[in-house]
Amino acid sequence: AQKITQTQPGMFVQEKEAVTLDCTYDTSDPSYGLFWYKQPSSGEMIFLIYQGSYDQQNATEGRYSLNFQKARKSANLVISASQLGDSAMYFCAMRWISSGSARQLTFGSGTQLTVLP
Amino acid sequence: DSGVTQTPKHLITATGQRVTLRCSPRSGDLSVYWYQQSLDQGLQFLIQYYNGEERAKGNILERFSAQQFPDLHSELNLSSLELGDSALYFCASSSTAGGWETQYFGPGTRLLVL
Repeated sequence: AQKITQTQPGMFVQEKEAVTLDCTYDTSDPSYGLFWYKQPSSGEMIFLIYQGSYDQQNATEGRYSLNFQKARKSANLVISASQLGDSAMYFCAMRWISSGSARQLTFGSGTQLTVLP
Repeated sequence: DSGVTQTPKHLITATGQRVTLRCSPRSGDLSVYWYQQSLDQGLQFLIQYYNGEERAKGNILERFSAQQFPDLHSELNLSSLELGDSALYFCASSSTAGGWETQYFGPGTRLLVL
């Protein structure tokens, strides 16, 4: 069964420093997609970054980058130059083929990031 | 703003009641997904519709049902509500049913069952 594991329930980082949020996954499918979402205290889910299982390069989006290590089944999110507004819950998710052409998202338990001034 | 709209934002009701949550996907998106986020279960996929047809089912209770209408908006119906149904319900949309494109989430409906 597909599973996403985020082992850090909470993380602290100093403003302007970089932080890595860990995510490991378990799947026997060769084809899957990995996503990171941010959920601020207001509750909405904001898409940050995507990595496909066949992508050769690590994904980057502005201050966000994904450290994708396929053999180790990890997809860690790196946030560079942290800002106070980065304080939020971060979810790693995997999209996989559930049946036929349907692909659903499975989420990890999340990491609460707090950026300190 | 993701372009996905959900109404209402908050809902307070009593046990045993029935409620309807509404979702409008992003313009051009044909797929709608419903998720439930609760403290004890985390974020769980409930059901997916694509262009009016059910495409995938997750951990959706029999008391819950959904549909997608010709104008592509979707409704999630929750009946015989229990205290444990209190949660944040998200709708998400994407352009296709089976690609790897991103699902964009609405702001959610916060349901409190008293």
